[in-house]
Amino acid sequence: GQNIDQPTEMTATEGAIVQINCTYQTSGFNGLFWYQQHAGEAPTFLSYNVLDGLEEKGRFSSFLSRSKGYSYLLLKELQMKDSASYLCASMDSNYQLIWGAGTKLIIKP
Amino acid sequence: ETGVTQTPRHLVMGMTNKKSLKCEQHLGHNAMYWYKQSAKKPLELMFVYSLEERVENNSVPSRFSPECPNSSHLFLHLHTLQPEDSALYLCASSQDLEGPTRELFFGEGSRLTVL
Repeated sequence: GQNIDQPTEMTATEGAIVQINCTYQTSGFNGLFWYQQHAGEAPTFLSYNVLDGLEEKGRFSSFLSRSKGYSYLLLKELQMKDSASYLCASMDSNYQLIWGAGTKLIIKP
Repeated sequence: ETGVTQTPRHLVMGMTNKKSLKCEQHLGHNAMYWYKQSAKKPLELMFVYSLEERVENNSVPSRFSPECPNSSHLFLHLHTLQPEDSALYLCASSQDLEGPTRELFFGEGSRLTVL
């Protein structure tokens, strides 16, 4: 079956770095997405990886290893506004998105 | 502001009521989606429309009925719902159904409570 695993909840300190991991098993692969969702708000797109390696976008970076079925989202210089849920989704060979249950990130001062 | 607007933001209904959720996208996208989001569960895809044609219906109970009158508007008609249908219903759009242009733009959702 198809499956996405990511931690349910993580806690980090303001100013620090946190890495949110995601492992996936899908029938074929057409890329991996990360979305951010603040409480009561719409999920918003953060990144899309289809090739192996690290892609950096300001304080946020996303990494993909296709051979390991693994991705992570790296958040640097954490700010209180980064408290949110982070959703990982893999796109299978039929361009269907398989979603993880999300990781709730709590930032403490 | 994501360019996708959902109304109402909150809805409380009894099991015998009939109501509708509305979604409008101002992005000129070709595909629109309904998702159900329950606490601590992955997003569940309910319906997909591409150029106003339904392309996917993921075994959703018939008490949920979608309607897509044009490429900018999507409705979800609700009738005789069950308490377990209480959830956040998210509408999304994307430029196309495939590839990186399948980046989804979500509305803020309609929080549904069924009593």
